[in-house]
Amino acid sequence: DQQVKQNSPSLSVQEGRISILNCDYTNSMFDYFLWYKKYPAEGPTFLISISSIKDKNEDGRFTVFLNKSAKHLSLHIVPSQPGDSAVYFCAALIQGAQKLVFGQGTRLTINP
Amino acid sequence: NAGVTQTPKFQVLKTGQSMTLQCAQDMNHEYMSWYRQDPGMGLRLIHYSVGAGITDQGEVPNGYNVSRSTTEDFPLRLLSAAPSQTSVYFCASSYGVIRDSPLHFGNGTRLTVT
Repeated sequence: DQQVKQNSPSLSVQEGRISILNCDYTNSMFDYFLWYKKYPAEGPTFLISISSIKDKNEDGRFTVFLNKSAKHLSLHIVPSQPGDSAVYFCAALIQGAQKLVFGQGTRLTINP
Repeated sequence: NAGVTQTPKFQVLKTGQSMTLQCAQDMNHEYMSWYRQDPGMGLRLIHYSVGAGITDQGEVPNGYNVSRSTTEDFPLRLLSAAPSQTSVYFCASSYGVIRDSPLHFGNGTRLTVT
């Protein structure tokens, strides 16, 4: 049973436009959420996170939004750049536990 | 600082063979973990350790063993390889609580079991 779901396997966006990656979760015990970015032949790298007590966190071009009632979070990248082309994983942490649960990933392609 | 180092990068095994995937970190991280990445499944937690001498199971522990005798190393053992264990394996570490110190990942080991 996939507790963290990224329903879009791929997304293509024009350079300079906004990229929006979505993630849904089912477990109400998740209280911390993270986004990781992965390039081919490399390990994932941490991008941005958000606690369940907030609804928005911003870091430069990256903003994560959390809608707890809908159990939904999204990552906005603006403006999108060619170097943003990668696979993006959403991940969630259960309250009090050290187990990170990942989504399936979304492959983002930024077109020039 | 090398970060998280995984060896080997690639490995091909025959069904039934055993092997150990190595993971070492030089950041004095207490928390270490192993994930496998499969198409359409994302990353799934195999085993994790919150410190030397302490290990626990993740989502998909069957067929794998771990031990943590030092802070630096966290090897993953496949006792009798099966084709279902064909995957890319990632080791990750964190200084402490993940919400305060996000995971650092190695570059992965691609394992094929024939």
